[in-house]
Amino acid sequence: GQNIDQPTEMTATEGAIVQINCTYQTSGFNGLFWYQQHAGEAPTFLSYNVLDGLEEKGRFSSFLSRSKGYSYLLLKELQMKDSASYLCAVRLPSGGSYIPTFGRGTSLIVHP
Amino acid sequence: GAVVSQHPSWVICKSGTSVKIECRSLDFQATTMFWYRQFPKQSLMLMATSNEGSKATYEQGVEKDKFLINHASLTLSTLTVTSAHPEDSSFYICSAIAGGPGETQYFGPGTRLLVL
Repeated sequence: GQNIDQPTEMTATEGAIVQINCTYQTSGFNGLFWYQQHAGEAPTFLSYNVLDGLEEKGRFSSFLSRSKGYSYLLLKELQMKDSASYLCAVRLPSGGSYIPTFGRGTSLIVHP
Repeated sequence: GAVVSQHPSWVICKSGTSVKIECRSLDFQATTMFWYRQFPKQSLMLMATSNEGSKATYEQGVEKDKFLINHASLTLSTLTVTSAHPEDSSFYICSAIAGGPGETQYFGPGTRLLVL
């Protein structure tokens, strides 16, 4: 079966840096997404990694190691509005196409 | 980014009735759309993949006769929950592939369904 693991919940202080990890054991791999989801809203796209290494985009960076089945999302200069759930999704082959399969999400709480 | 809309955003209905949810890609054409269900504090669960002009592909455990999906055009997919029951109450979210890196999915705002 497919297994995507993330911590359930994390807390951090405003202005700090937080790293949210995601490990996966899947049959097939064609990239990894990170999404942000605020309560009661739909997910919004943050990043996509298909090659090993770090992708930086403003305050958010995402890292991938395919050999280790590991990714992390790094959030810098945390703001209160960053309190949300962060979803890791692995793009898996399916019937000639690809579909993202989501982890359970990490709920991040940023406090003053 | 690409825009996906859903309608309605909220539905309250009686048990036994059917509910239709529409998903539209507003500024792009989407040959593939996805339907997800999300229960409180849980992750997104893929229900089905909706392909324009062909039958939807359902995930294991999802009743295709209960959750009817129609993808009649490149910008519209509909999900009909037939004979809804209280256990069908959930947050239903659609998404569409809009190209971009890794064929990024863009999500609609979701539809919250409450069956009484």
